[in-house]
Amino acid sequence: DTGVSQNPRHKITKRGQNVTFRCDPISEHNRLYWYRQTLGQGPEFLTYFQNEAQLEKSRLLSDRFSAERPKGSFSTLEIQRTEQGDSAMYLCASSTGTGREYFGPGTRLTVT
Amino acid sequence: SQKIEQNSEALNIQEGKTATLTCNYTNYSPAYLQWYRQDPGRGPVFLLLIRENEKEKRKERLKVTFDTTLKQSLFHITASQPADSATYLCALEGNTPLVFGKGTRLSVIA
Repeated sequence: DTGVSQNPRHKITKRGQNVTFRCDPISEHNRLYWYRQTLGQGPEFLTYFQNEAQLEKSRLLSDRFSAERPKGSFSTLEIQRTEQGDSAMYLCASSTGTGREYFGPGTRLTVT
Repeated sequence: SQKIEQNSEALNIQEGKTATLTCNYTNYSPAYLQWYRQDPGRGPVFLLLIRENEKEKRKERLKVTFDTTLKQSLFHITASQPADSATYLCALEGNTPLVFGKGTRLSVIA
């Protein structure tokens, strides 16, 4: 499968715990994006990388959130001290530049 | 502030009819407008991209129009089938990464 993959697909955690998600983009794609989606809403942009450089972060991305893309390959999104409001689907997408984005299946986070 | 509106949360149509979904935007000058399909519990899947200097684009049973004066895009599915039932998202791209609308949930009834 040469699409975007995300792990884990589901994560249940208790409030206050830290969680980390992984995204493996399509190998030749230099751009990687993270989005958050809640029920009944469209995906909301969180941050994106051009190769290993993090070029833009949304105001939605509080200081509890951090993302990395070492060596410009896979990316991780960490949420520290999770809150119930962090419960959402976290989507990763990749692309070769502007235009079409290829989305992964998402990681559904439930904070209890 | 930038705003994207998709005309309705849900749209029900009879199989074989044409479904028309609307995407309106304000305070935005997108270079591209894209349409995605999303099935429950899955990531969005790209359908079509239309540039600001294009009026219309077609792909099989899909047609998209883009009117930058009206700040509106229309998305049509002709000869609709129950398998077309999904949520359809419009997304704008300009100097920032994609900004998505809330989506319209389409149900095609056999």
